[in-house]
Amino acid sequence: DTEVTQTPKHLVMGMTNKKSLKCEQHMGHRAMYWYKQKAKKPPELMFVYSYEKLSINESVPSRFSPECPNSSLLNLHLHALQPEDSALYLCATTGGSYNEQFFGPGTRLTVL
Amino acid sequence: AQKVTQAQTEISVVEKEDVTLDCVYETRDTTYYLFWYKQPPSGELVFLIRRNSFDEQNEISGRYSWNFQKSTSSFNFTITASQVVDSAVYFCALSEGGGSWGKLQFGAGTQVVVTP
Repeated sequence: DTEVTQTPKHLVMGMTNKKSLKCEQHMGHRAMYWYKQKAKKPPELMFVYSYEKLSINESVPSRFSPECPNSSLLNLHLHALQPEDSALYLCATTGGSYNEQFFGPGTRLTVL
Repeated sequence: AQKVTQAQTEISVVEKEDVTLDCVYETRDTTYYLFWYKQPPSGELVFLIRRNSFDEQNEISGRYSWNFQKSTSSFNFTITASQVVDSAVYFCALSEGGGSWGKLQFGAGTQVVVTP
Protein backbone atom coordinates (compact mmCIF):
# COMPACT_ATOMS: atom_id res chain seq x y z
CA ASP A 1 0.00 0.00 0.00
CA THR A 2 1.21 3.50 -0.83
CA GLU A 3 1.50 5.50 2.37
CA VAL A 4 1.89 8.83 0.59
CA THR A 5 -0.86 9.53 -1.92
CA GLN A 6 -1.17 12.36 -4.40
CA THR A 7 -4.08 13.57 -6.48
CA PRO A 8 -4.59 14.07 -9.29
CA LYS A 9 -2.16 11.85 -11.18
CA HIS A 10 -2.29 14.08 -14.23
CA LEU A 11 -3.40 17.69 -14.59
CA VAL A 12 -3.66 19.89 -17.65
CA MET A 13 -4.39 23.55 -17.04
CA GLY A 14 -4.38 26.83 -18.86
CA MET A 15 -2.35 29.80 -17.75
CA THR A 16 -5.41 31.53 -16.30
CA ASN A 17 -6.71 28.56 -14.35
CA LYS A 18 -6.61 27.96 -10.60
CA LYS A 19 -6.02 24.40 -9.49
CA SER A 20 -4.72 22.52 -6.47
CA LEU A 21 -2.51 19.50 -5.96
CA LYS A 22 -3.17 17.35 -2.94
CA CYS A 23 -0.94 15.10 -0.87
CA GLU A 24 -1.90 12.87 2.02
CA GLN A 25 0.39 10.81 4.20
CA HIS A 26 -0.51 7.97 6.53
CA MET A 27 2.88 7.54 8.17
CA GLY A 28 2.40 9.80 11.18
CA HIS A 29 5.32 11.96 10.09
CA ARG A 30 5.64 15.62 11.05
CA ALA A 31 7.48 17.03 8.04
CA MET A 32 6.17 17.25 4.50
CA TYR A 33 7.77 18.48 1.31
CA TRP A 34 6.93 19.65 -2.19
CA TYR A 35 9.40 19.00 -4.99
CA LYS A 36 9.37 19.93 -8.65
CA GLN A 37 11.05 17.64 -11.17
CA LYS A 38 11.68 18.47 -14.79
CA ALA A 39 12.40 15.72 -17.29
CA LYS A 40 15.83 14.09 -16.95
CA LYS A 41 16.66 16.21 -13.89
CA PRO A 42 16.72 15.45 -10.16
CA PRO A 43 13.91 16.73 -7.94
CA GLU A 44 14.21 20.32 -6.74
CA LEU A 45 12.93 21.26 -3.32
CA MET A 46 10.16 23.86 -3.26
CA PHE A 47 8.72 23.93 0.27
CA VAL A 48 9.11 22.20 3.62
CA TYR A 49 6.47 22.07 6.34
CA SER A 50 7.39 20.87 9.79
CA TYR A 51 4.72 20.50 12.46
CA GLU A 52 2.31 22.14 10.01
CA LYS A 53 4.35 25.34 9.77
CA LEU A 54 6.21 26.46 6.67
CA SER A 55 9.89 26.15 7.51
CA ILE A 56 11.58 26.36 4.10
CA ASN A 57 10.54 28.21 0.96
CA GLU A 58 13.16 27.85 -1.75
CA SER A 59 12.36 31.22 -3.34
CA VAL A 60 9.42 29.75 -5.20
CA PRO A 61 7.30 32.20 -7.25
CA SER A 62 4.09 33.30 -5.58
CA ARG A 63 1.99 31.61 -8.24
CA PHE A 64 2.68 28.48 -6.16
CA SER A 65 1.01 28.65 -2.76
CA PRO A 66 1.43 25.79 -0.27
CA GLU A 67 -0.95 24.95 2.52
CA CYS A 68 -0.80 22.40 5.32
CA PRO A 69 -4.29 22.04 6.85
CA ASN A 70 -3.19 19.30 9.25
CA SER A 71 -0.36 16.89 9.87
CA SER A 72 -1.60 14.46 7.23
CA LEU A 73 -2.45 16.82 4.39
CA LEU A 74 -0.43 19.08 2.15
CA ASN A 75 -1.82 21.16 -0.69
CA LEU A 76 -0.18 23.15 -3.44
CA HIS A 77 -2.40 25.84 -4.91
CA LEU A 78 -1.60 26.87 -8.45
CA HIS A 79 -2.57 30.12 -10.13
CA ALA A 80 -1.45 31.88 -13.30
CA LEU A 81 1.17 29.29 -14.10
CA GLN A 82 3.50 29.44 -17.05
CA PRO A 83 4.25 26.67 -19.58
CA GLU A 84 7.70 26.28 -18.04
CA ASP A 85 6.01 25.17 -14.81
CA SER A 86 5.05 21.93 -16.53
CA ALA A 87 6.76 19.19 -14.54
CA LEU A 88 6.28 16.28 -12.19
CA TYR A 89 5.34 17.52 -8.72
CA LEU A 90 6.32 15.20 -5.91
CA CYS A 91 5.22 15.21 -2.31
CA ALA A 92 7.37 13.61 0.38
CA THR A 93 7.29 13.06 4.10
CA THR A 94 9.85 12.26 6.75
CA GLY A 95 9.86 11.50 10.42
CA GLY A 96 12.69 9.10 10.91
CA SER A 97 15.98 9.76 12.60
CA TYR A 98 17.81 9.35 9.32
CA ASN A 99 15.74 12.02 7.57
CA GLU A 100 14.91 9.54 4.86
CA GLN A 101 12.07 10.87 2.78
CA PHE A 102 9.22 8.83 1.41
CA PHE A 103 7.67 10.05 -1.78
CA GLY A 104 4.22 9.94 -3.29
CA PRO A 105 3.63 8.89 -6.91
CA GLY A 106 3.59 12.48 -8.13
CA THR A 107 1.31 14.67 -10.23
CA ARG A 108 2.29 15.28 -13.86
CA LEU A 109 1.31 18.87 -14.58
CA THR A 110 1.03 20.34 -18.05
CA VAL A 111 0.45 24.07 -18.46
CA LEU A 112 -0.85 25.13 -21.84
CA ALA B 1 27.65 23.62 0.85
CA GLN B 2 26.74 20.07 0.08
CA LYS B 3 27.12 18.45 -3.30
CA VAL B 4 26.47 15.03 -4.78
CA THR B 5 28.09 13.82 -8.00
CA GLN B 6 26.95 10.87 -10.05
CA ALA B 7 29.37 10.78 -12.94
CA GLN B 8 27.65 7.97 -14.82
CA THR B 9 24.82 9.28 -16.97
CA GLU B 10 23.64 5.92 -18.27
CA ILE B 11 24.61 2.30 -17.78
CA SER B 12 23.34 -0.46 -20.05
CA VAL B 13 23.62 -4.10 -19.07
CA VAL B 14 22.22 -7.43 -20.06
CA GLU B 15 20.03 -9.22 -17.56
CA LYS B 16 21.91 -11.07 -14.81
CA GLU B 17 24.94 -8.82 -15.02
CA ASP B 18 25.91 -6.82 -11.94
CA VAL B 19 25.58 -3.04 -11.99
CA THR B 20 27.57 -0.66 -9.81
CA LEU B 21 26.50 2.96 -9.49
CA ASP B 22 29.01 5.53 -8.31
CA CYS B 23 28.28 8.42 -5.97
CA VAL B 24 30.71 10.98 -4.59
CA TYR B 25 29.59 13.59 -2.10
CA GLU B 26 30.87 16.76 -0.47
CA THR B 27 29.81 18.12 2.89
CA ARG B 28 31.33 20.07 5.76
CA ASP B 29 29.08 18.46 8.33
CA THR B 30 30.33 15.60 10.47
CA THR B 31 26.80 14.25 10.80
CA TYR B 32 25.07 13.46 7.54
CA TYR B 33 22.96 10.81 5.86
CA LEU B 34 23.25 9.20 2.47
CA PHE B 35 20.51 7.56 0.48
CA TRP B 36 19.81 5.79 -2.77
CA TYR B 37 16.47 6.22 -4.50
CA LYS B 38 15.05 4.47 -7.57
CA GLN B 39 12.74 6.23 -10.02
CA PRO B 40 11.09 3.90 -12.54
CA PRO B 41 9.32 5.31 -15.62
CA SER B 42 6.12 5.66 -13.59
CA GLY B 43 7.78 8.55 -11.76
CA GLU B 44 7.55 7.59 -8.12
CA LEU B 45 10.77 7.93 -6.16
CA VAL B 46 11.33 4.76 -4.17
CA PHE B 47 13.59 4.82 -1.13
CA LEU B 48 16.11 1.97 -1.27
CA ILE B 49 18.86 2.30 1.31
CA ARG B 50 20.33 4.72 3.82
CA ARG B 51 23.55 5.14 5.71
CA ASN B 52 24.65 7.65 8.35
CA SER B 53 28.08 9.18 8.57
CA PHE B 54 29.02 7.25 11.68
CA ASP B 55 28.34 3.83 10.27
CA GLU B 56 30.71 2.68 7.58
CA GLN B 57 29.62 -0.92 7.76
CA ASN B 58 28.75 -2.13 4.31
CA GLU B 59 25.71 -4.30 3.93
CA ILE B 60 23.83 -6.50 1.57
CA SER B 61 20.07 -6.51 1.32
CA GLY B 62 18.78 -9.02 -1.16
CA ARG B 63 20.26 -8.10 -4.54
CA TYR B 64 21.34 -4.67 -3.31
CA SER B 65 24.63 -3.88 -1.63
CA TRP B 66 26.44 -0.67 -0.86
CA ASN B 67 29.97 0.46 -0.18
CA PHE B 68 30.35 3.55 1.98
CA GLN B 69 33.88 4.95 2.30
CA LYS B 70 34.31 8.21 4.20
CA SER B 71 37.98 8.42 3.24
CA THR B 72 37.03 8.88 -0.41
CA SER B 73 33.56 10.43 0.22
CA SER B 74 31.96 7.72 -1.84
CA PHE B 75 28.71 5.81 -1.45
CA ASN B 76 28.50 3.28 -4.24
CA PHE B 77 25.55 1.01 -4.88
CA THR B 78 25.50 -2.39 -6.55
CA ILE B 79 22.64 -4.38 -8.00
CA THR B 80 23.58 -8.03 -8.29
CA ALA B 81 22.13 -10.23 -11.03
CA SER B 82 20.18 -7.38 -12.63
CA GLN B 83 16.65 -7.84 -13.87
CA VAL B 84 14.59 -5.92 -16.42
CA VAL B 85 12.53 -4.46 -13.55
CA ASP B 86 15.68 -2.76 -12.31
CA SER B 87 15.55 -0.43 -15.31
CA ALA B 88 15.12 3.02 -13.79
CA VAL B 89 16.91 6.22 -12.88
CA TYR B 90 18.86 5.89 -9.64
CA PHE B 91 19.55 8.93 -7.49
CA CYS B 92 22.11 9.26 -4.75
CA ALA B 93 21.15 11.85 -2.14
CA LEU B 94 22.70 13.56 0.86
CA SER B 95 21.04 15.12 3.89
CA GLU B 96 22.98 17.04 6.47
CA GLY B 97 22.24 16.03 10.00
CA GLY B 98 21.43 17.61 13.30
CA GLY B 99 18.04 16.02 13.54
CA SER B 100 16.47 18.78 11.48
CA TRP B 101 13.99 18.36 8.68
CA GLY B 102 16.89 18.59 6.31
CA LYS B 103 17.06 19.21 2.64
CA LEU B 104 17.89 16.34 0.34
CA GLN B 105 20.64 17.17 -2.12
CA PHE B 106 20.27 14.85 -5.09
CA GLY B 107 22.86 13.82 -7.61
CA ALA B 108 22.02 14.15 -11.31
CA GLY B 109 20.91 10.53 -11.49
CA THR B 110 22.10 7.48 -13.42
CA GLN B 111 19.83 5.83 -15.95
CA VAL B 112 20.10 2.04 -15.75
CA VAL B 113 18.87 0.05 -18.73
CA VAL B 114 18.63 -3.71 -18.33
CA THR B 115 17.89 -5.66 -21.48
CA PRO B 116 16.76 -9.28 -21.59
